[in-house]
Amino acid sequence: EAQVTQNPRYLITVTGKKLTVTCSQNMNHEYMSWYRQDPGLGLRQIYYSMNVEVTDKGDVPEGYKVSRKEKRNFPLILESPSPNQTSLYFCASSLRGLTEAFFGQGTRLTVV
Amino acid sequence: GENVEQHPSTLSVQEGDSAVIKCTYSDSASNYFPWYKQELGKRPQLIIDIRSNVGEKKDQRIAVTLNKTAKHFSLHITETQPEDSAVYFCAASKGWTNAGKSTFGDGTTLTVKP
Repeated sequence: EAQVTQNPRYLITVTGKKLTVTCSQNMNHEYMSWYRQDPGLGLRQIYYSMNVEVTDKGDVPEGYKVSRKEKRNFPLILESPSPNQTSLYFCASSLRGLTEAFFGQGTRLTVV
Repeated sequence: GENVEQHPSTLSVQEGDSAVIKCTYSDSASNYFPWYKQELGKRPQLIIDIRSNVGEKKDQRIAVTLNKTAKHFSLHITETQPEDSAVYFCAASKGWTNAGKSTFGDGTTLTVKP
């Protein structure tokens, strides 16, 4: 079954404690991206990757890092989380660009 | 960069009526325009998309129209049903020629009253 898997689904953490949200896809997609969703602000792109070792900033990259060492995985790293990063995060993958993107189940992150 | 504006932010219709959601974009180089439906507590799911070389696309009760000159595109849902109630997002990207950034609208909350 084609899927994008994020872990964890829920996470409560404290300010400054490094964390990683994992994202994995089994569709051999080249393009992967991360979004955050906040009430009234839609989905805002954090980072995207067009292929292995190729990543670039989206509209809201501050405070986040990503890596793409393998085609299937695209982890999101928060080196020093702050309360304003409390949000719902989605990973997505697609064959090319945003075309026919599949989204993960989402990760609800709370930073206290 | 690209800017996508979506209207209205909320829309309430009676079951059986039609619903129309409109989006405008700013970057004339954008060439791919998907629409996503997000039910409460779920992930966004693609419901229909259109490329810049097409003016209209239809899939059963859902259609999307694109006006490249005016830089706007619209989602049309006919014969609405209560299960159409959800948040709908439009997006714009250059996905078909240059995979890169994607920009979403802020979403429209559609409520279909039985």
